[in-house]
Amino acid sequence: EADIYQTPRYLVIGTGKKITLECSQTMGHDKMYWYQQDPGMELHLIHYSYGVNSTEKGDLSSESTVSRIRTEHFPLTLESARPSHTSQYLCASSSGGAYGYTFGSGTRLTVV
Amino acid sequence: DQQVKQNSPSLSVQEGRISILNCDYTNSMFDYFLWYKKYPAEGPTFLISISSIKDKNEDGRFTVFLNKSAKHLSLHIVPSQPGDSAVYFCAASYSGTYKYIFGTGTRLKVLA
Repeated sequence: EADIYQTPRYLVIGTGKKITLECSQTMGHDKMYWYQQDPGMELHLIHYSYGVNSTEKGDLSSESTVSRIRTEHFPLTLESARPSHTSQYLCASSSGGAYGYTFGSGTRLTVV
Repeated sequence: DQQVKQNSPSLSVQEGRISILNCDYTNSMFDYFLWYKKYPAEGPTFLISISSIKDKNEDGRFTVFLNKSAKHLSLHIVPSQPGDSAVYFCAASYSGTYKYIFGTGTRLKVLA
């Protein structure tokens, strides 16, 4: 049973639309992350948070924004979707322990 | 500049034989390494980890070897099973951060 949930799993949306990708975890982890992955490429960190009201941009520049108002919730928002945003978005959480991250199932976004 | 590299995009192995997946890194500050397995349409799942104070870690059929002088780690799967067919990512981090940098993945196919 998944402890970290991402919705939607798949999304096809038109250019210019605003979208929010949801991510929630039930493990009480203080650290949460968003990664972006294109096929055959590495996972790129785009945002992370080490606690409530704390967010940072990752190593890959992204036009998306995130918020962390509650420990369990870390949504990602694109104000105006473009075809270049087509990718898989993976949310993860961690307690900082030896097992690294727990990942969600991902959201595959297609912008047409 | 890719700090974690998996130079083999794919690997095919006969069932029952050994699978060896390789990973190289460039940042000598990395001191903790993970391997993740990813099935299609799912998020990556944790497989095995190794700290830089060790050169080997075993968990059942999975063994990770670390060669710090060569900045190289490898994952051995013995014996390989068809259910091991997936994409394998190595990831690295260093003390004081809780962020992992991922390689591009190696697609393993175990042939029955």
